[in-house]
Amino acid sequence: SQQGEEDPQALSIQEGENATMNCSYKTSINNLQWYRQNSGRGLVHLILIRSNEREKHSGRLRVTLDTSKKSSSLLITASRAADTASYFCATDALAGGTSYGKLTFGQGTILTVHP
Amino acid sequence: EAQVTQNPRYLITVTGKKLTVTCSQNMNHEYMSWYRQDPGLGLRQIYYSMNVEVTDKGDVPEGYKVSRKEKRNFPLILESPSPNQTSLYFCASSLFGGTGVKNIQYFGAGTRLSVL
Repeated sequence: SQQGEEDPQALSIQEGENATMNCSYKTSINNLQWYRQNSGRGLVHLILIRSNEREKHSGRLRVTLDTSKKSSSLLITASRAADTASYFCATDALAGGTSYGKLTFGQGTILTVHP
Repeated sequence: EAQVTQNPRYLITVTGKKLTVTCSQNMNHEYMSWYRQDPGLGLRQIYYSMNVEVTDKGDVPEGYKVSRKEKRNFPLILESPSPNQTSLYFCASSLFGGTGVKNIQYFGAGTRLSVL
């Protein structure tokens, strides 16, 4: 299976609820990033967490990273209909202790927020 | 405005007819990359370039060519397109293919290609 696998594949919630998406990966990483994609459009960077960080916040987004479990989660609090999109994690893997800038994307979580 | 521009946005072609999808970025980024996105498979990297005249294969390079003669441009060439190359293609760039925050990638709007 691929580096950077998201779970669940699809998530449907009501406006105001929190949405949690998980990402697992296999190799050592330099950093892990989350991106958002509105239907058929280009991906937009949301947040980056470095391998030596455990938690990061940006507005209504909270990202955690557990390098011992090789997993990350993205929490969107107080969701809005406009948050409806696909969310991807992307890992910047280390090779021999070096990053070559290649991001490996997971298959994404489709989030639907109902008004 | 900082952006990655892909053209065309939509393309319908026939098997075997050579085509080029252009990609240009105005952010002076060293690193550029092409991805294809297919249902159930996520984004897969086709080719990438860490700087002018430096290109390398990604995960799914077969049937594609690229060139990087100038820093801002990174065209994707399909010499003899086949139906299995029908996909949504994205170009992306980042400041530097290295450590830290520099490898945040900026994506173009996408090119939807259909090969009949």
